[in-house]
Amino acid sequence: GESVGLHLPTLSVQEGDNSIINCAYSNSASDYFIWYKQESGKGPQFIIDIRSNMDKRQGQRVTVLLNKTVKHLSLQIAATQPGDSAVYFCAENIGNSGNTPLVFGKGTRLSVIA
Amino acid sequence: DAEITQSPRHKITETGRQVTLACHQTWNHNNMFWYRQDLGHGLRLIHYSYGVHDTNKGEVSDGYSVSRSNTEDLPLTLESAASSQTSVYFCASSRGQDEQFFGPGTRLTVL
Repeated sequence: GESVGLHLPTLSVQEGDNSIINCAYSNSASDYFIWYKQESGKGPQFIIDIRSNMDKRQGQRVTVLLNKTVKHLSLQIAATQPGDSAVYFCAENIGNSGNTPLVFGKGTRLSVIA
Repeated sequence: DAEITQSPRHKITETGRQVTLACHQTWNHNNMFWYRQDLGHGLRLIHYSYGVHDTNKGEVSDGYSVSRSNTEDLPLTLESAASSQTSVYFCASSRGQDEQFFGPGTRLTVL
């Protein structure tokens, strides 16, 4: 079965509010995680990544949090904008310890209400 | 600028025909991947390659094949197209076991 999944398939957020997208993983050996954004009609686009030796990483308006204790990953988007409307995927990789590709979750659709 | 391209962007074919989707990357990445994307299933891995002459089966490889004769290209072939293979196909590449860069996708319709 799939080891990467999502708690919420859809999320509606008011423009200017913060968004939180969650992801659960089941493989305790996973040591690298990525968030992708996919806009309609386009391929997935890298947002931010985090390795298992970290519990938080920040980018421009985005923060990824990793809780290894409960095998949970979240993406926080600050001051959500209409351009943030897209499907967001988390993905995991067990890193250099295993020769396996990324495993993707099914995705969460974020809709920003103007 | 380095990039990853896919062709064609849209394809309509008939059941039973052989179809080849092209993927070309100019990053000189060793790793290349093919995914299909369907509603309710997210991205599912079809085949992948870690270098020239290397190919591996993914989660949904039945009915598909790939070959890697050079670093830049990983064509995906549907030997005998079926209606169940109507989907959007994405190619991706990566330097190592980390971030993958995705192409724009090919929308394939099998009638």
